[in-house]
Amino acid sequence: EAGVVQSPRYKIIEKKQPVAFWCNPISGHNTLYWYRQNLGQGPELLIRYENEEAVDDSQLPKDRFSAERLKGVDSTLKIQPAELGDSAVYLCASSLASTYEQYFGPGTRLTVT
Amino acid sequence: AQSVTQLGSHVSVSEGALVLLRCNYSSSVPPYLFWYVQYPNQGLQLLLKYTTGATLVKGINGFEAEFKKSETSFHLTKPSAHMSDAAEYFCAVSGGSGYSTLTFGKGTMLLVSP
Repeated sequence: EAGVVQSPRYKIIEKKQPVAFWCNPISGHNTLYWYRQNLGQGPELLIRYENEEAVDDSQLPKDRFSAERLKGVDSTLKIQPAELGDSAVYLCASSLASTYEQYFGPGTRLTVT
Repeated sequence: AQSVTQLGSHVSVSEGALVLLRCNYSSSVPPYLFWYVQYPNQGLQLLLKYTTGATLVKGINGFEAEFKKSETSFHLTKPSAHMSDAAEYFCAVSGGSGYSTLTFGKGTMLLVSP
């Protein structure tokens, strides 16, 4: 069974540029999570989806971050415009439902210069 | 609200020695507790979890952890370290509502020397 797929794996952009990350969850998983992991820190939840609905986006900086999960499968996380402080690893995870174990993708390492 | 404190950002052991990674948590409701491992440039992999029942839980790769409510601790141990255990380990707590709201500690990097 394929795991959570994320692309790109690495991205380097200049500040004020836009960037997007893509996540394909494990087949059949209804719940999808986006986390941000800063250097030397644990992951922090940005947003959680139940199917197409964002049920917890309280930690998503809505002035520059947006996310979507069309048709309840793939998801895209966007930053526009990027700031230096956005440099981090962005992790996607999925689970059968919110009460089940989360499976993590390899992450996208973003560097903003 | 919940929080996790992992004591020691780095732990060094020799191959074959006991591994002990410390985790203390705070939760206003009965917690679910987790240990994850992260190898370089990879995502997090679940090592083990405590939800209810037996307080000593066994996980993959020979790791185990014991939930001690009185000490609000969930320390991770392995009797004999292998070189392949070198990685970063994260303790996480969920507020008893399942797995959906994980709060992670800052992580402990385990270094294993020959």
